Amino acid sequence: GNSVTQMEGPVTLSEEAFLTINCTYTATGYPSLFWYVQYPGEGLQLLLKATKADDKGSNKGFEATYRKETTSFHLEKGSVQVSDSAVYFCALRDSGYALNFGKGTSLLVTP
Amino acid sequence: DAGVIQSPRHEVTEMGQEVTLRCKPISGHDYLFWYRQTMMRGLELLIYFNNNVPIDDSGMPEDRFSAKMPNASFSTLKIQPSEPRDSAVYFCASSNQESEQFFGPGTRLTVL
Repeated sequence: GNSVTQMEGPVTLSEEAFLTINCTYTATGYPSLFWYVQYPGEGLQLLLKATKADDKGSNKGFEATYRKETTSFHLEKGSVQVSDSAVYFCALRDSGYALNFGKGTSLLVTP
Repeated sequence: DAGVIQSPRHEVTEMGQEVTLRCKPISGHDYLFWYRQTMMRGLELLIYFNNNVPIDDSGMPEDRFSAKMPNASFSTLKIQPSEPRDSAVYFCASSNQESEQFFGPGTRLTVL
């Protein structure tokens, strides 16, 4: 079956540090891959996505590249801000329309 | 558009009581999803609908849970009877065939 594995959190960084959150997946087909972000007390919002191998999704300074050979979709940002503090979820969508989510990685950015 | 609307935002109830969670999807979206979020299990898909018809309910934990979508603008998730282990945040999301899923703000359920 399909599954997503994310690095355990919480991740604590100083402002302007480099961020990487690892995500690997298992899928039977050729899934689309997503990163969602959840700010405290809110629902999830789509951050970026990639629909095929070697695609790079990007938004708000965040990037992730769909790597079929390593079944990975790692999230990166060159310089984090305090406002990036949130929980980040990696997800995949295979042949259906439902999403399989990882367990989420909590990020805390300190001034 | 107001986005996905869920009510109530918070619900506290006692074990054995019936709980009904409500969702209004974004107008024009024909897919609706119910998720449950807990610390232990993360985000789990419970059920999803297409054009008001349940497509996959394999994530519904047991018969105490039921979901309906009587029309394109309204869905309910009911738990009867509720138990403390049902305490979680329940999210509703909607989409159409081409779009991302848009999530509501969630309902935080506490069963005492």
